Amino acid sequence: QQQVKQSPQSLIVQKGGISIINCAYENTAFDYFPWYQQFPGKGPALLIAIRPDVSEKKEGRFTISFNKSAKQFSLHIMDSQPGDSATYFCAASMNDYKLSFGAGTTVTVRA
Amino acid sequence: EPEVTQTPSHQVTQMGQEVILRCVPISNHLYFYWYRQILGQKVEFLVSFYNNEISEKSEIFDDQFSVERPDGSNFTLKIRSTKLEDSAMYFCASSEVAPGGEQYFGPGTRLTVT
Repeated sequence: QQQVKQSPQSLIVQKGGISIINCAYENTAFDYFPWYQQFPGKGPALLIAIRPDVSEKKEGRFTISFNKSAKQFSLHIMDSQPGDSATYFCAASMNDYKLSFGAGTTVTVRA
Repeated sequence: EPEVTQTPSHQVTQMGQEVILRCVPISNHLYFYWYRQILGQKVEFLVSFYNNEISEKSEIFDDQFSVERPDGSNFTLKIRSTKLEDSAMYFCASSEVAPGGEQYFGPGTRLTVT
């Protein structure tokens, strides 16, 4: 059962551009939505997270937009830099112990 | 900055052998997790552990798997009789609070079963 669907699988953006990654979830009991950044050979690193009581959260160049009625949330990377080139995973949790991850999006930022 | 550490970084073993993967969670964290990531696939939850007990496990975590906190700092995952399909990156994570706490991941152990 694929509880969190992530798209696109990959994207290429020019330096300074905006990267947008979308996730949709099925289980309305989910109440915690983190995004992780993963570089090759490394573990996922927590980037930013949101709970459903807010519609948007911004930390530096990273913004999560959350649409509870549509059961969707997205990550926006503003002013994308080559150092942002990585795989990004959305995840969700429903007040339990496990994170359910999306399939991941490989972002390539061209200089 | 505190971080989760894992050893070894790469483990090669033969099918049917036992392996133990080790993790040192962040020192003030009380909740511990194992996840795995088969090459090119998404990260999958295996098990969570708190107060010396398993709090939740997935269908992947069958009788071949076990976890232990042998002392105040280490957290281990044992696979009793490895299969080819156990080849994956295994990530340890920890959180200060749970459920719903922020989970911090280690760098992973790449397990290769031949």
